[in-house]
Amino acid sequence: AQKITQTQPGMFVQEKEAVTLDCTYDTSDQSYGLFWYKQPSSGEMIFLIYQGSYDEQNATEGRYSLNFQKARKSANLVISASQLGDSAMYFCAMREGTSGSARQLTFGSGTQLTVLP
Amino acid sequence: GAVVSQHPSWVICKSGTSVKIECRSLDFQATTMFWYRQFPKQSLMLMATSNEGSKATYEQGVEKDKFLINHASLTLSTLTVTSAHPEDSSFYICSARGQDRGGGNIQYFGAGTRLSVL
Repeated sequence: AQKITQTQPGMFVQEKEAVTLDCTYDTSDQSYGLFWYKQPSSGEMIFLIYQGSYDEQNATEGRYSLNFQKARKSANLVISASQLGDSAMYFCAMREGTSGSARQLTFGSGTQLTVLP
Repeated sequence: GAVVSQHPSWVICKSGTSVKIECRSLDFQATTMFWYRQFPKQSLMLMATSNEGSKATYEQGVEKDKFLINHASLTLSTLTVTSAHPEDSSFYICSARGQDRGGGNIQYFGAGTRLSVL
């Protein structure tokens, strides 16, 4: 089974609107971390936001927020007030185990977001 | 956030030559670094986990003699693609674990290296 599933290969959003990028995950670990990264066409992977499995509040970072629904095993990324510069590929990722573990990230297949002027 | 520097950003080489890619953590120490490979329009595929002072751990299907990894210090890991062939052409990206301002362990990525083997 896929550990990280991103069901939206492509999304379009109007500039200044909000958009939600879906991510569901599968793990039997009690302790895990969820991440979102942005990859523009230049290729660099830019860290956006992190949510720990024991964090009770949804993570927020500027215009980014993570809608964490533990029972549903979903960790959707919400981008508010979209900007043209938000156009990029977005990857959801999970690290199983505790924060201090050296385990690697598992990535979803990504969602290509295009912001329309 | 923490900064990871990767060099070179783009390399073109002839078939049969070797190419070295460097990954440096600029403002933090990284006992563990990761090397990924990414094909166009696809997700990142983990190649190996690089551990400072010890041998790298390779993922299944990745040839360790083909992709040599050296993690000689807490701030530097190198990936050498030996005797490169056109099928090795890809985007290679490294990452290192650092801490964000909230104290969480985050994997920060380098800018990637586009390798084209002629």
